[in-house]
Amino acid sequence: KNEVEQSPQNLTAQEGEFITINCSYSVGISALHWLQQHPGGGIVSLFMLSSGKKKHGRLIATINIQEKHSSLHITASHPRDSAVYICAVSGGNYQLIWGAGTKLIIKP
Amino acid sequence: KAGVTQTPRYLIKTRGQQVTLSCSPISGHRSVSWYQQTPGQGLQFLFEYFSETQRNKGNFPGRFSGRQFSNSRSEMNVSTLELGDSALYLCASTLVGGEYTEAFFGQGTRLTVV
Repeated sequence: KNEVEQSPQNLTAQEGEFITINCSYSVGISALHWLQQHPGGGIVSLFMLSSGKKKHGRLIATINIQEKHSSLHITASHPRDSAVYICAVSGGNYQLIWGAGTKLIIKP
Repeated sequence: KAGVTQTPRYLIKTRGQQVTLSCSPISGHRSVSWYQQTPGQGLQFLFEYFSETQRNKGNFPGRFSGRQFSNSRSEMNVSTLELGDSALYLCASTLVGGEYTEAFFGQGTRLTVV
């Protein structure tokens, strides 16, 4: 079993829909990261969370440390949100442990 | 401020050759970590450097090595390339590394071994 599990693996939705991507982890962590990867490889850090909730524009990330679970929400989704969203955790030892990613496609 | 710069962006090498990839972190950042991304394995940790010292290494063979210079720029080297080394190699830059620091990523170097 992977230490970081994301669901769903693939998600296709219509423009305007509310999107939720989930991340569960089995290791003790101090921080969880949500990242976005567009075709071509570039990775952008969206959020770093150690507790509670953060919001940037239409993106919201929450984490429940007791349940070892985090969610990334996108409100009013747009085709430009189409990307792979990756959850990664900082478990110590100066490395990130990565989820497999969720491929999101938003259709106009 | 300038982002994380990885060079080259694309590279094609032949089996048996060696390759060197470069990563220039964000100015002032002292920690650089490297990751390999393949379709079958996802993102895997290679190693992390801080102030020219390797602090941690992932489960990769000795053909994979790295170093960091006094200006925090880092290089990774892969010797005796194999077809399976074809991947996207990502570099992450953080201020000091560790658990609470936000990471910034380069665009990656896409290596194809033929």
